[in-house]
Amino acid sequence: EDKVVQSPLSLVVHEGDTVTLNCSYEVTNFRSLLWYKQEKKAPTFLFMLTSSGIEKKSGRLSSILDKKELFSILNITATQTGDSAIYLCAVSTTGANSKLTFGKGITLSVRP
Amino acid sequence: NAGVTQTPKFRILKIGQSMTLQCTQDMNHNYMYWYRQDPGMGLKLIYYSVGAGITDKGEVPNGYNVSRSTTEDFPLRLELAAPSQTSVYFCASRRDRASNEQFFGPGTRLTVL
Repeated sequence: EDKVVQSPLSLVVHEGDTVTLNCSYEVTNFRSLLWYKQEKKAPTFLFMLTSSGIEKKSGRLSSILDKKELFSILNITATQTGDSAIYLCAVSTTGANSKLTFGKGITLSVRP
Repeated sequence: NAGVTQTPKFRILKIGQSMTLQCTQDMNHNYMYWYRQDPGMGLKLIYYSVGAGITDKGEVPNGYNVSRSTTEDFPLRLELAAPSQTSVYFCASRRDRASNEQFFGPGTRLTVL
């Protein structure tokens, strides 16, 4: 059975801090790993990672994948209160019936 | 483009009632999905469809049914609502087999009392 584990499950930081969110996975026929941000509504797409060692960046957010050790990290630097959200990691597999398997999510709270 | 739309936004059901959650996408995506999200549990796949006329079970299909008669619509049916089905339901779509990203609707919050 495909499995995605995120840690920590929740995190409280102060504005300006840097955070690292972790995602490890065990899936057969790995295709890609996706990060989503969810703020009280539908998840919105952040990054998709398919190759090891290549960092994806968007402003203060960055993410990297390690396919050998089967994990990914999402970094957020100089956190702001608007970064408060649930961060979901999901893994997709190859094949015609490819689906996403989600982790439980990491609840990040950024205090002023 | 409206993207993925879901109705209703909220609903309260009594045990044993039935209802249909509607999902429509206007992006001509082949793949569509239904998830439920319970607090602290991430998203669990209920059913999915790889094209009109084709549906398949996900991780937690019991108590639900789906149909996909058109590319645009993917309704989720609850026949005999139970308190365990209290959850937030998200519909999502994906363009095709070559793409990875799923686009989510705004969700339906369902309470069964």
